[in-house]
Amino acid sequence: DAGVIQSPRHEVTEMGQEVTLRCKPISGHNSLFWYRQTMMRGLELLIYFNNNVPIDDSGMPEDRFSAKMPNASFSTLKIQPSEPRDSAVYFCASSGGTRSTYNEQFFGPGTRLTVL
Amino acid sequence: KQEVTQIPAALSVPEGENLVLNCSFTDSAIYNLQWFRQDPGKGLTSLLLIQSSQREQTSGRLNASLDKSSGRSTLYIAASQPGDSATYLCAVRTSYDKVIFGPGTSLSVIP
Repeated sequence: DAGVIQSPRHEVTEMGQEVTLRCKPISGHNSLFWYRQTMMRGLELLIYFNNNVPIDDSGMPEDRFSAKMPNASFSTLKIQPSEPRDSAVYFCASSGGTRSTYNEQFFGPGTRLTVL
Repeated sequence: KQEVTQIPAALSVPEGENLVLNCSFTDSAIYNLQWFRQDPGKGLTSLLLIQSSQREQTSGRLNASLDKSSGRSTLYIAASQPGDSATYLCAVRTSYDKVIFGPGTSLSVIP
């Protein structure tokens, strides 16, 4: 398996622009997580899907952030409009494999977002 | 509110030493605890997952223990190697489905 795939790997945009981050979870996994990592706040869970349904979005910082999972193999995290304080590395993770590792999370390589 | 801390924040050891990294959490109502390593500029690599009903897990030179009642987990690395240099993070999944990460321990193994 290719692991969790994220695109783009790097994104530089100007304040006010819309940004869309993409994630393909590991095939067969039924849970998907979006995280944000910054030096100041460390790793924070933004939103968590189970079977394509958002279970907990309490970590989404504000209405400018939205996430969707239209099917089991694809999810997007959108920021509109983007602000400089959104600059961070955004990670996607998935879990839900074999019984013994069912809750083990596997992370993608991340998207480094810079908002100028 | 669950809080996760890791001590020490940074650690430097000579190659070959055995070492222990610590993770503490304030609420014992956890579902599981997972240890990761993160190399600079990279994603997180899963090392070990301990379910709340387990006391420890082992993988190669790594051993992770869990003591829910005291709110502690330790990651033991035997015979450390320069390739072990990375940041090690623990993450607690709470019984109400939150995932809380610790701030990490930056490990440097000196050849």
